[in-house]
Amino acid sequence: EPEVTQTPSHQVTQMGQEVILRCVPISNHLYFYWYRQILGQKVEFLVSFYNNEISEKSEIFDDQFSVERPDGSNFTLKIRSTKLEDSAMYFCASKGVMRDTEAFFGQGTRLTVV
Amino acid sequence: AQKVTQAQTEISVVEKEDVTLDCVYETRDTTYYLFWYKQPPSGELVFLIRRNSFDEQNEISGRYSWNFQKSTSSFNFTITASQVVDSAVYFCALIDDNLFFGTGTRLTVIP
Repeated sequence: EPEVTQTPSHQVTQMGQEVILRCVPISNHLYFYWYRQILGQKVEFLVSFYNNEISEKSEIFDDQFSVERPDGSNFTLKIRSTKLEDSAMYFCASKGVMRDTEAFFGQGTRLTVV
Repeated sequence: AQKVTQAQTEISVVEKEDVTLDCVYETRDTTYYLFWYKQPPSGELVFLIRRNSFDEQNEISGRYSWNFQKSTSSFNFTITASQVVDSAVYFCALIDDNLFFGTGTRLTVIP
């Protein structure tokens, strides 16, 4: 069964450091997403990506965040200067062409900023 | 504006009881899609079901059933004869332009 893979599963970083969270979406999918979930809270939309550009982003996705699809297979989320409040689980998801197709989620990367 | 509302933050039931998780959504689109996801304690998001706006037929899958009513913009999820392994956070979600999640309902099934 196809799956979305995320690496690393857990990352600890010092405040102010840059982190890159990596995702490999399902190969024939065209829509890609990043979500964030602060421990015990709701899943929050960060950004959607289609046709090699951001299609929508939330208020959370400020200038500290960026996304890239550098090589046609990976989909990365970069946080330039991490803050304590960036500590969360970050989920990557991908979806096929049709609107009603299931969004497949990765297992998540738990980011801990210390 | 809140697209998906799950009014129940936490529910506790005793094993073997039935439980219904409520979901109310808001969209101006005539074509949209609704989902339920389960998040067990291990943290991953597990897809349970999707339903498109043209199909109001209720669905049953084992102990799970879903009641979609466009008239009340609701897409409720019932677990029959709950089990301890059902303990998780359950998220309702809507796709119109993007995928929007509700705030989740934490279900605890007590042995």
